[in-house]
Amino acid sequence: IAGITQAPTSQILAAGRRMTLRCTQDMRHNAMYWYRQDLGLGLRLIHYSNTAGTTGKGEVPDGYSVSRANTDDFPLTLASAVPSQTSVYFCASSDSREKGTDTQYFGPGTRLTVL
Amino acid sequence: GQNIDQPTEMTATEGAIVQINCTYQTSGFNGLFWYQQHAGEAPTFLSYNVLDGLEEKGRFSSFLSRSKGYSYLLLKELQMKDSASYLCAAMDSNYQLIWGAGTKLIIKP
Repeated sequence: IAGITQAPTSQILAAGRRMTLRCTQDMRHNAMYWYRQDLGLGLRLIHYSNTAGTTGKGEVPDGYSVSRANTDDFPLTLASAVPSQTSVYFCASSDSREKGTDTQYFGPGTRLTVL
Repeated sequence: GQNIDQPTEMTATEGAIVQINCTYQTSGFNGLFWYQQHAGEAPTFLSYNVLDGLEEKGRFSSFLSRSKGYSYLLLKELQMKDSASYLCAAMDSNYQLIWGAGTKLIIKP
């Protein structure tokens, strides 16, 4: 692996179903992020993690949960999907969240459709 | 509130120069980022400015004026492969990136 991988690439999901989006990085970055990207809007932060074992809420956390059991993995779970969660989801990582010069690197994204 | 403004779409000619503007309002400021995003792909880092002035990197340059809450990305010698969306993002005092909606740049031959 080189960089960040996400799975699945795309998914169609029935409303009310539970879904976990997977994200793995091999850069040993401390910080990881989940964003959603919707047409006409900027990337919006859902949840973040400064380091393994810690998580925090972003701008739009409702309906989503995350965990950070180790440095490499940062899964995003939708407990009961709703159509408004239809979006493209990007996972990103950076060396350190609390450093202004820190660059975020993005995974290829997961395109999720909730019907 | 926190806000980033950038034009929705711009058109330019291959070989020409284009300037994409971005204005920002954030609670505190820890730098301004530009990312490039081709359709259906992930954003990729282009530049970072935290001090006033121009940063040049090959065909791409980025400018920042902190007093005006303003930045621009300058692309020279445009190539067809530069057709993409360009995302402006400002980092606030909590080190959170506030993203603009992106500027779709269309390059015509």
